Amino acid sequence: GQQLNQSPQSMFIQEGEDVSMNCTSSSIFNTWLWYKQDPGEGPVLLIALYKAGELTSNGRLTAQFGITRKDSFLNISASIPSDVGIYFCAGHYNTNAGKSTFGDGTTLTVKP
Amino acid sequence: GAGVSQSPSNKVTEKGKDVELRCDPISGHTALYWYRQSLGQGLEFLIYFQGNSAPDKSGLPSDRFSAERTGGSVSTLTIQRTQQEDSAVYLCASDREAGTGELFFGEGSRLTVL
Repeated sequence: GQQLNQSPQSMFIQEGEDVSMNCTSSSIFNTWLWYKQDPGEGPVLLIALYKAGELTSNGRLTAQFGITRKDSFLNISASIPSDVGIYFCAGHYNTNAGKSTFGDGTTLTVKP
Repeated sequence: GAGVSQSPSNKVTEKGKDVELRCDPISGHTALYWYRQSLGQGLEFLIYFQGNSAPDKSGLPSDRFSAERTGGSVSTLTIQRTQQEDSAVYLCASDREAGTGELFFGEGSRLTVL
């Protein structure tokens, strides 16, 4: 089945630093999505990308849909303590509205 | 309600007992998903409902797991004869429109099997 490789598994950074994480797949996707999960909560959608090569920003977050359709990255600029959490990438291939495949997550810790 | 609602939020049960987990999706959302998240792990797909189509059950780990969705809205995930390895957070999500992949998650039901 489809598998996503998300890296790094965890990151420990200082407040104010930039963060970069990425996701790669052996299969192509029509849609790449990035979610954030806070402790005790369900994941919340941050950014959705629908087109190969697309670069999308949401505040301090920037994500790109890779040209090959097999990868995506997420950047967070000028990190703040509330950025702490687990970030998941997800690939979605929308034929007959199929299921999304999730990466294993990147745990981000921000030191004040 | 405004978001996806799941109940119970926490469930502790003894090995061998059956459990039912409920999900109330966002009103009007046609697609509903169940995922499982073990401690420190990613999201494992279990089952997917879309409108009146037959559900995609390809992620259910064994025949002890089943789910139904009544009236195209509320869904119940049932785990029979629970085992300790079933301990996890069970997340439900709905999608406003078929095919977008933009999932809205509930807060999850944390299941602990003793």
